[in-house]
Amino acid sequence: KAGVTQTPRYLIKTRGQQVTLSCSPISGHRSVSWYQQTPGQGLQFLFEYFSETQRNKGNFPGRFSGRQFSNSRSEMNVSTLELGDSALYLCASSFRGYNEQFFGPGTRLTVL
Amino acid sequence: LAKTTQPISMDSYEGQEVNITCSHNNIATNDYITWYQQFPSQGPRFIIQGYKTKVTNEVASLFIPADRKSSTLSLPRVSLSDTAVYYCLVPNNNAGNMLTFGGGTRLMVKP
Repeated sequence: KAGVTQTPRYLIKTRGQQVTLSCSPISGHRSVSWYQQTPGQGLQFLFEYFSETQRNKGNFPGRFSGRQFSNSRSEMNVSTLELGDSALYLCASSFRGYNEQFFGPGTRLTVL
Repeated sequence: LAKTTQPISMDSYEGQEVNITCSHNNIATNDYITWYQQFPSQGPRFIIQGYKTKVTNEVASLFIPADRKSSTLSLPRVSLSDTAVYYCLVPNNNAGNMLTFGGGTRLMVKP
C-alpha cells in the first residue's frame, strides 16, 4: 500500500507570497492532519480534517488554512508568507483515529 | 491534556539496550501512551503504543507501571541506524487526531 505523499517536496518563496501544499493520504484513510516543524518550536499541530470537515485546529494565525476533498486528499495554504513560516510541513493520515498516524516525508518551505 | 517529560538526549553504543523513560503524571484513565521515532528531514514514524503493563513488537518494548504515570521505551541491541529523536506522546482521546509533540529525546548511537 502506498504511503502518504506530499507535493512539492521543496519550495522557495518570498515574503508576502502565498503557497499551497498538497497531501495524499494512504488509501482508505479519512483523517488528515498537518504539522509544522521548526528547530525553535519543534513539531506543532496545525489542523486536522476528517471527511472534508476541519475537526481540530492548533494555535496558528488565520493565514494558515486548509481543506480536504471528497477523495480525502488535503491541501494547506499559507497566505502573506513571513520569514518565520520557513519550516518542514508534515502531513499525517489515519484510519481509526489517534492510535497510529502515518506521516509523509514533508514539504520543506523556505521563505526569503 | 497530559504533558510528557523525557530526557533531552541520550548516548549509547551499538549492541546495547537503550531505555528511554517518559513521565506523564496527569495521564487520564482512557489515555494511551504512544512513541514515535523521527530521523532528520523525515516525518515521525509510529513505534509502539500501550495502555498498561508491557507491550512488545518487532521493534521495541514498552513498559508501563501500574500507576501509569511513567513509561519506558526499550530498544534492544541498538545499531547506528537507531540514531533518531524519540517522542513520547499521550494523545487526548477527546482531541481527535491532534498529537502534541514535546521536545523528544535525541538518541545518539555510537560505534
